[in-house]
Amino acid sequence: QQQVKQSPQSLIVQKGGIPIINCAYENTAFDYFPWYQQFPGKGPALLIAIRPDVSEKKEGRFTISFNKSAKQFSLHIMDSQPGDSATYFCAASGKETSGSRLTFGEGTQLTVNP
Amino acid sequence: EAQVTQNPRYLITVTGKKLTVTCSQNMNHEYMSWYRQDPGLGLRQIYYSMNVEVTDKGDVPEGYKVSRKEKRNFPLILESPSPNQTSLYFCASSLRGRTGKQYFGPGTRLTVT
Repeated sequence: QQQVKQSPQSLIVQKGGIPIINCAYENTAFDYFPWYQQFPGKGPALLIAIRPDVSEKKEGRFTISFNKSAKQFSLHIMDSQPGDSATYFCAASGKETSGSRLTFGEGTQLTVNP
Repeated sequence: EAQVTQNPRYLITVTGKKLTVTCSQNMNHEYMSWYRQDPGLGLRQIYYSMNVEVTDKGDVPEGYKVSRKEKRNFPLILESPSPNQTSLYFCASSLRGRTGKQYFGPGTRLTVT
Protein backbone atom coordinates (compact mmCIF):
# COMPACT_ATOMS: atom_id res chain seq x y z
CA GLN A 1 0.00 0.00 0.00
CA GLN A 2 1.54 3.24 -1.18
CA GLN A 3 1.12 5.85 1.54
CA VAL A 4 2.27 8.65 -0.74
CA LYS A 5 0.73 8.77 -4.22
CA GLN A 6 2.60 10.72 -6.88
CA SER A 7 1.47 11.88 -10.33
CA PRO A 8 2.06 12.03 -13.19
CA GLN A 9 4.35 9.06 -13.80
CA SER A 10 6.05 10.95 -16.64
CA LEU A 11 6.00 14.50 -17.89
CA ILE A 12 7.39 16.21 -20.98
CA VAL A 13 7.65 20.00 -21.23
CA GLN A 14 9.39 22.50 -23.42
CA LYS A 15 12.25 24.63 -22.13
CA GLY A 16 10.85 27.53 -20.13
CA GLY A 17 7.67 25.65 -19.21
CA ILE A 18 6.50 25.08 -15.65
CA PRO A 19 6.18 21.38 -14.90
CA ILE A 20 4.04 20.53 -11.88
CA ILE A 21 4.32 17.26 -9.99
CA ASN A 22 1.68 16.35 -7.46
CA CYS A 23 1.68 14.17 -4.36
CA ALA A 24 -1.10 13.11 -2.01
CA TYR A 25 -0.90 11.42 1.36
CA GLU A 26 -3.30 9.85 3.84
CA ASN A 27 -1.39 9.81 7.10
CA THR A 28 -2.23 13.02 8.97
CA ALA A 29 0.74 12.40 11.27
CA PHE A 30 3.15 13.20 8.43
CA ASP A 31 4.95 16.46 9.21
CA TYR A 32 7.96 16.57 6.90
CA PHE A 33 7.74 16.54 3.11
CA PRO A 34 10.97 16.49 1.07
CA TRP A 35 11.49 16.27 -2.66
CA TYR A 36 14.42 14.37 -4.11
CA GLN A 37 15.91 14.67 -7.60
CA GLN A 38 17.61 11.74 -9.30
CA PHE A 39 19.71 11.86 -12.46
CA PRO A 40 20.31 8.68 -14.48
CA GLY A 41 22.93 6.47 -12.89
CA LYS A 42 23.01 8.48 -9.67
CA GLY A 43 21.47 8.27 -6.25
CA PRO A 44 18.65 10.68 -5.31
CA ALA A 45 19.63 14.05 -3.86
CA LEU A 46 17.58 16.34 -1.64
CA LEU A 47 16.11 19.21 -3.62
CA ILE A 48 13.78 21.03 -1.23
CA ALA A 49 11.63 20.21 1.79
CA ILE A 50 8.63 21.71 3.57
CA ARG A 51 6.85 21.46 6.91
CA PRO A 52 3.04 21.73 7.11
CA ASP A 53 3.14 25.02 9.02
CA VAL A 54 3.80 26.89 5.75
CA SER A 55 1.85 26.76 2.49
CA GLU A 56 4.72 27.49 0.14
CA LYS A 57 8.50 27.32 0.04
CA LYS A 58 10.80 28.54 -2.72
CA GLU A 59 14.40 27.71 -3.40
CA GLY A 60 15.63 29.19 -6.65
CA ARG A 61 13.42 27.94 -9.48
CA PHE A 62 11.87 25.21 -7.33
CA THR A 63 8.69 25.80 -5.32
CA ILE A 64 6.74 23.48 -3.06
CA SER A 65 3.06 24.25 -2.54
CA PHE A 66 1.40 22.57 0.43
CA ASN A 67 -2.32 22.13 1.06
CA LYS A 68 -2.77 20.64 4.52
CA SER A 69 -6.57 20.32 4.37
CA ALA A 70 -6.41 18.45 1.07
CA LYS A 71 -3.38 16.44 2.19
CA GLN A 72 -1.59 17.31 -1.02
CA PHE A 73 1.68 18.94 -1.95
CA SER A 74 3.27 19.74 -5.28
CA LEU A 75 6.55 20.71 -6.87
CA HIS A 76 6.70 23.51 -9.45
CA ILE A 77 9.80 24.14 -11.54
CA MET A 78 9.91 27.66 -12.92
CA ASP A 79 11.62 28.37 -16.23
CA SER A 80 12.49 24.70 -16.64
CA GLN A 81 15.76 23.81 -18.39
CA PRO A 82 16.96 20.66 -20.18
CA GLY A 83 19.31 20.14 -17.23
CA ASP A 84 16.24 19.66 -15.01
CA SER A 85 15.46 16.43 -16.85
CA ALA A 86 15.51 13.84 -14.09
CA THR A 87 13.28 11.67 -11.95
CA TYR A 88 11.62 13.45 -9.05
CA PHE A 89 10.41 11.76 -5.89
CA CYS A 90 8.23 13.23 -3.19
CA ALA A 91 8.43 11.76 0.28
CA ALA A 92 6.89 12.11 3.71
CA SER A 93 7.57 11.18 7.30
CA GLY A 94 5.86 11.65 10.63
CA LYS A 95 6.66 11.91 14.31
CA GLU A 96 5.24 8.50 15.08
CA THR A 97 7.98 6.92 13.00
CA SER A 98 11.40 6.46 14.46
CA GLY A 99 14.84 6.63 13.01
CA SER A 100 15.09 7.69 9.42
CA ARG A 101 11.73 6.42 8.18
CA LEU A 102 10.78 8.08 4.93
CA THR A 103 7.95 7.00 2.66
CA PHE A 104 8.53 7.85 -1.00
CA GLY A 105 6.13 8.37 -3.87
CA GLU A 106 6.37 6.37 -7.09
CA GLY A 107 8.48 8.95 -8.91
CA THR A 108 7.96 11.23 -11.93
CA GLN A 109 10.26 11.13 -14.92
CA LEU A 110 10.57 14.68 -16.22
CA THR A 111 11.90 15.51 -19.68
CA VAL A 112 12.54 19.12 -20.61
CA ASN A 113 13.00 19.50 -24.35
CA PRO A 114 15.29 22.26 -25.67
CA GLU B 1 34.84 14.46 0.08
CA ALA B 2 31.65 13.61 1.99
CA GLN B 3 30.17 10.54 0.42
CA VAL B 4 28.35 7.23 0.69
CA THR B 5 29.99 4.37 -1.15
CA GLN B 6 28.46 1.06 -2.16
CA ASN B 7 30.06 -2.10 -3.52
CA PRO B 8 29.61 -3.74 -5.85
CA ARG B 9 27.91 -1.38 -8.28
CA TYR B 10 26.67 -4.22 -10.45
CA LEU B 11 26.06 -7.83 -9.52
CA ILE B 12 24.56 -10.77 -11.36
CA THR B 13 24.02 -13.86 -9.25
CA VAL B 14 21.95 -17.03 -9.11
CA THR B 15 19.05 -17.94 -6.89
CA GLY B 16 20.11 -19.03 -3.42
CA LYS B 17 23.70 -17.84 -3.49
CA LYS B 18 24.32 -15.65 -0.44
CA LEU B 19 25.58 -12.15 -1.13
CA THR B 20 26.50 -8.98 0.71
CA VAL B 21 26.31 -5.43 -0.55
CA THR B 22 28.55 -3.12 1.41
CA CYS B 23 27.80 0.48 2.33
CA SER B 24 30.13 2.96 3.96
CA GLN B 25 29.82 6.65 4.84
CA ASN B 26 32.53 9.09 5.91
CA MET B 27 30.30 11.79 7.44
CA ASN B 28 30.00 10.33 10.95
CA HIS B 29 26.23 10.02 10.46
CA GLU B 30 24.24 8.04 13.00
CA TYR B 31 21.33 7.19 10.71
CA MET B 32 21.67 4.82 7.76
CA SER B 33 19.10 3.14 5.54
CA TRP B 34 18.74 0.71 2.68
CA TYR B 35 16.21 1.24 -0.10
CA ARG B 36 15.25 -0.65 -3.20
CA GLN B 37 14.04 1.16 -6.30
CA ASP B 38 11.68 -0.53 -8.72
CA PRO B 39 9.87 1.01 -11.72
CA GLY B 40 6.46 2.33 -10.76
CA LEU B 41 7.06 1.70 -7.07
CA GLY B 42 9.55 4.42 -6.24
CA LEU B 43 11.96 3.93 -3.36
CA ARG B 44 10.96 1.54 -0.61
CA GLN B 45 12.85 1.32 2.64
CA ILE B 46 14.21 -2.12 3.51
CA TYR B 47 15.95 -1.54 6.84
CA TYR B 48 17.29 1.40 8.74
CA SER B 49 19.70 1.94 11.61
CA MET B 50 19.71 4.69 14.20
CA ASN B 51 23.13 3.87 15.60
CA VAL B 52 25.62 1.09 16.12
CA GLU B 53 23.80 -2.14 16.97
CA VAL B 54 20.39 -0.45 16.57
CA THR B 55 18.43 -1.49 13.48
CA ASP B 56 14.77 -1.76 12.56
CA LYS B 57 12.64 -2.99 9.70
CA GLY B 58 11.45 -0.70 6.98
CA ASP B 59 8.56 -1.37 4.63
CA VAL B 60 9.98 -4.36 2.73
CA PRO B 61 12.40 -6.27 5.00
CA GLU B 62 11.53 -9.85 3.94
CA GLY B 63 14.52 -11.71 2.54
CA TYR B 64 17.09 -9.20 3.78
CA LYS B 65 19.35 -8.87 6.80
CA VAL B 66 21.50 -6.00 8.00
CA SER B 67 24.08 -5.37 10.67
CA ARG B 68 25.61 -2.22 12.12
CA LYS B 69 28.78 -3.12 13.98
CA GLU B 70 30.57 0.12 13.15
CA LYS B 71 29.13 3.58 12.71
CA ARG B 72 30.42 4.01 9.19
CA ASN B 73 29.33 0.66 7.73
CA PHE B 74 25.89 -0.80 7.09
CA PRO B 75 26.01 -3.94 4.93
CA LEU B 76 22.93 -5.47 3.33
CA ILE B 77 22.84 -9.27 3.32
CA LEU B 78 20.72 -11.49 1.09
CA GLU B 79 20.99 -14.97 2.61
CA SER B 80 19.13 -16.73 -0.21
CA PRO B 81 18.45 -14.33 -3.08
CA SER B 82 15.42 -14.86 -5.28
CA PRO B 83 14.52 -13.34 -8.67
CA ASN B 84 12.01 -10.95 -7.03
CA GLN B 85 14.96 -9.29 -5.33
CA THR B 86 16.28 -8.15 -8.69
CA SER B 87 16.34 -4.40 -8.20
CA LEU B 88 18.37 -1.23 -7.83
CA TYR B 89 19.55 -0.81 -4.25
CA PHE B 90 20.55 2.42 -2.53
CA CYS B 91 22.21 3.01 0.78
CA ALA B 92 21.67 6.38 2.47
CA SER B 93 22.88 8.16 5.56
CA SER B 94 21.74 11.24 7.43
CA LEU B 95 22.70 13.26 10.46
CA ARG B 96 19.22 13.91 11.83
CA GLY B 97 17.16 10.86 11.03
CA ARG B 98 13.83 11.31 9.27
CA THR B 99 14.06 15.12 8.90
CA GLY B 100 17.69 15.15 7.97
CA LYS B 101 19.04 15.38 4.46
CA GLN B 102 19.52 11.86 3.16
CA TYR B 103 22.82 11.32 1.40
CA PHE B 104 22.43 8.48 -1.09
CA GLY B 105 25.10 6.21 -2.46
CA PRO B 106 25.49 5.59 -6.21
CA GLY B 107 23.36 2.44 -6.20
CA THR B 108 23.90 -1.27 -6.74
CA ARG B 109 22.17 -2.94 -9.67
CA LEU B 110 21.40 -6.53 -8.62
CA THR B 111 20.13 -9.22 -10.97
CA VAL B 112 19.13 -12.62 -9.57
CA THR B 113 18.62 -15.34 -12.17
